[in-house]
Amino acid sequence: EVQLVESGGGSVQPGGSLRLSCAASGFTFINYWMHWVRQAPGKGLVWVSRVTNDGSTPSYADSVNGRFTISRDNARNTLFLQMNSLRAEDTAVYYCARDYNFGMEVWGQGTTVTVSS
Amino acid sequence: QSALTQPPSASGSPGQSVTISCTGTSSDVGGYSFVSWHQQHPGKAPKLIIYEVAKRPSGVPDRYSGSKSGNTASLTVSGLLAEDEADYYCSSYAGGNIYVFGTGTKVTVL
Repeated sequence: EVQLVESGGGSVQPGGSLRLSCAASGFTFINYWMHWVRQAPGKGLVWVSRVTNDGSTPSYADSVNGRFTISRDNARNTLFLQMNSLRAEDTAVYYCARDYNFGMEVWGQGTTVTVSS
Repeated sequence: QSALTQPPSASGSPGQSVTISCTGTSSDVGGYSFVSWHQQHPGKAPKLIIYEVAKRPSGVPDRYSGSKSGNTASLTVSGLLAEDEADYYCSSYAGGNIYVFGTGTKVTVL
């Protein structure tokens, strides 16, 4: 079964850092681009970041560029999102998703990040 | 990176059809055939129901169909069922390795 499982969410103060993980199983991880997408409480989906299958070409939404870093460990079938200089507006459920032809085909269940003092 | 524009809500009775629009620009929806649609039930993860404008993943009923004209994409749900009540989001590749989602539409089955 194709599965993505996020972890690493939690509560952090403004200015703090968190590292999210997304464990992939049931498919050949190295063959796929991967995304992070977030959803603030009661709000819509927002694309955050994408990385190519070899990790060589990351891209970011303007709102997180320079603060977040996407990476992957293909040997461990795991996607990461390092989040620094966190702000209240980064509070959201963070989903990882597998890319298929420039769309998000398979989604994890999400991990919650709360940024508050 | 402005969000694509969707109507906040849409509704229809069981058995009827509902169509949701997704309006962008020539830099995203109008410039690429990489428009997707996702369905999200409350408290659940999104689910892909349309990709590349009009293609359906395996297992998605043919009651769901997609199209595009110019800078506007559309999702039509035919033969509405109670289980179709959910939030729907479009997304599009926007060039330069950037992606954008729509504002979301809440579909109510009357």
